[in-house]
Amino acid sequence: EIVLTQSPGTLSLSPGERATLSCRASQSVSSSYLAWYQQKPGQAPRLLIYGASSRATGIPDRFSGSGSGTDFTLTISRLEPEDFAVYYCQQYGSSHSGLTFGGGTKVEIK
Amino acid sequence: EVQLVESGGGLVKPGGSLRLSCAASGFTFSNAWMSWVRQAPGKGLEWVGRIKSKTDGGTTDYAAPVKGRFTISRDDSKNTLYLQMNSLKTEDTAVYYCTTELKIFGVALGFFDYWGQGTLVTVSS
Repeated sequence: EIVLTQSPGTLSLSPGERATLSCRASQSVSSSYLAWYQQKPGQAPRLLIYGASSRATGIPDRFSGSGSGTDFTLTISRLEPEDFAVYYCQQYGSSHSGLTFGGGTKVEIK
Repeated sequence: EVQLVESGGGLVKPGGSLRLSCAASGFTFSNAWMSWVRQAPGKGLEWVGRIKSKTDGGTTDYAAPVKGRFTISRDDSKNTLYLQMNSLKTEDTAVYYCTTELKIFGVALGFFDYWGQGTLVTVSS
């Protein structure tokens, strides 16, 4: 099973600042099979990025994804008040038993 | 508008059983690959398992912690997904989400584009 490690655990930033979130895999992941989600308190997660860098429908362009192999990054170019939330990366391996999520990064208001 | 509405959660004793349902609307349910994802209180997300569409074989896959105890099924005539949970353990306590798997040009990609609001399952004596 591929383990995804997200860092930092918590990111304290101000609105308007740039956020850079990391997701590191225990073994190489195909870029096609890496996604990012946003979750706000009391809500279901929302798909932001799939295929490492493709934005899901309706996602603002301030969200971008990049990376390959074992290192992936979610960047929020300028934080809006509604962006303070927990972010999860997820990978889908070649077999379905390999579908895993990272532990999450909380982006909080500084 | 896509809607996924879970139901059936509640309090159950260790060793007990529970069946969750997910009523789907706003899309062609029979074509969808559906998954259950859970989240223990204050914790991260964990994939539980998936069922493919019947046209893609209708097969199921499960995460190791639930394999042999949980069963996913679907009733396309009712646009409903099910999760039968047996031999429940305290560590199964979580909010259970019903999700659809993103498809592009008819190919499921292993990511989840629509989610229900979740239903809470509490396993405790």
